[in-house]
Parts: sequence; structure tokens; C-alpha cells
Amino acid sequence: NAGVIQTPRHKVTGKGQEATLWCEPISGHSAVFWYRQTIVQGLEFLTYFRNQAPIDDSGMPKERFSAQMPNQSHSTLKIQSTQPQDSAVYLCASSFTGSDYTFGSGTRLLVI
Amino acid sequence: GDQVEQSPSALSLHEGTDSALRCNFTTTMRSVQWFRQNSRGSLISLFYLASGTKENGRLKSAFDSKERRYSTLHIRDAQLEDSGTYFCAAEATGGNNKLTFGQGTVLSVIP
Repeated sequence: NAGVIQTPRHKVTGKGQEATLWCEPISGHSAVFWYRQTIVQGLEFLTYFRNQAPIDDSGMPKERFSAQMPNQSHSTLKIQSTQPQDSAVYLCASSFTGSDYTFGSGTRLLVI
Repeated sequence: GDQVEQSPSALSLHEGTDSALRCNFTTTMRSVQWFRQNSRGSLISLFYLASGTKENGRLKSAFDSKERRYSTLHIRDAQLEDSGTYFCAAEATGGNNKLTFGQGTVLSVIP
């Protein structure tokens, strides 16, 4: 069990560029979550999939952010036209039951 | 929205001493999970509780089963490797599995 795998570990993008973050949940886990961590805001919920279907995206910024889960083995978080305020650690978690999360190591995104 | 108030925000402990972290919830929660974030940024799950208490080595956590409005994490005989940032996170009743995190406790264990 390799745990939740997130790639890349670090990403630097120029302002206005697109960034795609990848998450591979633990095999057999049907729930996948995305969170964002910053010094100022702490850990914030972004979005949630269950059995690949979007369940709750109430934390996603309405513009420029989108998430997908095309199959049970991976989810992507895409940020279009990145801005410096998007700089954060983006964390993916999966769960078998929907509770009791296992987090990945995160992707540290820096927009310059 | 649902609020999770974690205290203290920072804590220094001498090796071998005991202490406790606490999270208060502004609404009834279904479950609570405690994490430690290490220096690399990884969130390591310590406990998941839907009620009652759990213990693992020198760590023990409790979730108020009656009103479901607070949880504690006790650290016994603190060691240097316990240093890190501790987070509690709770799922509201009817909360659609979404976790709301506290602001964290930065724990420093000193010799």
C-alpha cells in the first residue's frame, strides 16, 4: 500500500499559466477529497468525489479552478491562469468509508 | 459555518512531561480525526474517533460522546520526536464527510 500519491511534489508556474495537480487514491477507497493549506487560511476544503462522482465542490473558487475524477485511480485539480494567491500546498486525501482520511504528501505550488 | 477552535496555538514541553490539546466545536460533530504534520508537510493520521477514547502508545484521544462538542489529545512522557504541528479535524453531523480543520498546535519538545 503506497498510500495516497500526489504528483508533482513541487510545481513552480508563472502568473497566468495553467497548473494541473494529480492524485492517486488508495486502491479501493471510493472517496477522494482535495484541500488547500496556506499560512493565513490554514487547511481549507476544496472538493469531494465519491465513486468518481462530484459530491461537494463548495470550497472551490468559482473561477479558474476545476477538478475531475475520470476513473477510480486518479483525480486531477486544474488551475487556469494561475495567480500568486493560488500559491499553497494542495493536499489530496482518500477514504474507504468517507470518514477516516488518509492524506497524500501534497503538492507545493508556487506562482511567480 | 462550522467552526473548530483548537488550543493552545503553540506549546513547549520538556521531555518526559505530559500535556493535552483540545478542540471545541461550535456545533455537534459526527466524528473527529487528529493529525500530526511533520517537517516535510505530510499529515499523518493519529486517531479517528466517532465516540469514546482511543490510545496508542503515549498518545490518547477522547471525543465527548454525550454532546459531541469537544475532543482532546493527551501526550504522555513527551519525546523530541513528538515535535510538530497537530491538527484536529471534525465532520459535522450531516456534513457530507467534509472535514473542518482547527488552526493547529505547534508543539516543541525541548530537552
